Amino acid sequence: SQQGEEDPQALSIQEGENATMNCSYKTSINNLQWYRQNSGRGLVHLILIRSNEREKHSGRLRVTLDTSKKSSSLLITASRAADTASYFCATGRVYSGGGADGLTFGKGTHLIIQP
Amino acid sequence: GAVVSQHPSWVICKSGTSVKIECRSLDFQATTMFWYRQFPKQSLMLMATSNEGSKATYEQGVEKDKFLINHASLTLSTLTVTSAHPEDSSFYICSASPLVGAPDTQYFGPGTRLTVL
Repeated sequence: SQQGEEDPQALSIQEGENATMNCSYKTSINNLQWYRQNSGRGLVHLILIRSNEREKHSGRLRVTLDTSKKSSSLLITASRAADTASYFCATGRVYSGGGADGLTFGKGTHLIIQP
Repeated sequence: GAVVSQHPSWVICKSGTSVKIECRSLDFQATTMFWYRQFPKQSLMLMATSNEGSKATYEQGVEKDKFLINHASLTLSTLTVTSAHPEDSSFYICSASPLVGAPDTQYFGPGTRLTVL
């Protein structure tokens, strides 16, 4: 099965700077999603980008998708201390018979925003 | 809207006992629910997919006799960890895909932390 890989595994930046995280995957996908997880807590859905889309924005978030390179990036602009969390990309497989499919998560990037 | 709850939020049990975790979609009906497991400092791994009224589909390497899944209604799925052992200690997260709406939308529960002594 495919496995998303994020890089960097850990990132520490100053508040106000931009943070960029990358994700690569191995097989064909229907969509790619980014999630945030605060330590020991549940997941927060950030953004979903479909395989026929190249870029998507949501507030301070910008996601790109390059299906030819099987990669995606998440950019957080003007970072805040509250953005400190782990960020995961997750891919949904191409449906074979319709309906929902389980997600394959990457290993995650632990982001620390220093005030 | 689109809230998924899990109960309990945390549980500590003795080795050899069974633990049941509930996953409920509170304000929508879910055709499909998913169970994930997350070990400390690791990513989430899909364990199984359950559809209401049918048997769950388990991912490779997940023991179906150890992790019993029941999806009896469109709003409730349960995961029972049978004869739990310390290596089963993990964070278990469910998600639900709504009956109405885009099939690739999943709403995640807050997770259940299981500690087996």
